[in-house]
Amino acid sequence: AQTVTQSQPEMSVQEAETVTLSCTYDTSESDYYLFWYKQPPSRQMILVIRQEAYKQQNATENRFSVNFQKAAKSFSLKISDSQLGDAAMYFCAYRGRGGSQGNLIFGKGTKLSVKP
Amino acid sequence: DADVTQTPRNRITKTGKRIMLECSQTKGHDRMYWYRQDPGLGLRLIYYSFDVKDINKGEISDGYSVSRQAQAKFSLSLESAIPNQTALYFCATRDRYTDTQYFGPGTRLTVL
Repeated sequence: AQTVTQSQPEMSVQEAETVTLSCTYDTSESDYYLFWYKQPPSRQMILVIRQEAYKQQNATENRFSVNFQKAAKSFSLKISDSQLGDAAMYFCAYRGRGGSQGNLIFGKGTKLSVKP
Repeated sequence: DADVTQTPRNRITKTGKRIMLECSQTKGHDRMYWYRQDPGLGLRLIYYSFDVKDINKGEISDGYSVSRQAQAKFSLSLESAIPNQTALYFCATRDRYTDTQYFGPGTRLTVL
């Protein structure tokens, strides 16, 4: 079974600095998707970034970028120029393309605090 | 207007009561999911549906049932609520072309 591990329960960053959140996963599949979701105090789950495993190029969305290392099964999220609004829980999620369910498998999350 | 809506947003109930959580979507997706979020555990799959006639159990379906009334509506029921079902419940839809899931705002359920 696939698993997703986020080894940092909490992280802190100074406003305008850069922070990297770690995620590793375990799978025997070769084709899959990886996602980062943000959950602010409003509790809404917001998609931050999406990566397709067959694409070697790392995904980027404005200040958010990933470092996808397929061989190492690592998918870290880098937030540049951190803003107060980035404070939230961040969840890494996996979705295998071979499975029939199509559901996401989530890590336990990393709580990010942003200091002014 | 939100693409995925959930009602109610918050609910407090007592042990043994029957509860229904409702989800509606305007995204036109045929795939819908119910997840449960507990502190420190991330989100876990309860049930999923690929269309009105296709409903499947997820990882933690015991104590829950679902109904897909239409492509746009997917309801989750707790037939006899118990305190350990206190959690945050999310409905989601999936875009089959981008394989991206879109979540509703969540329902916070407390069972006393």
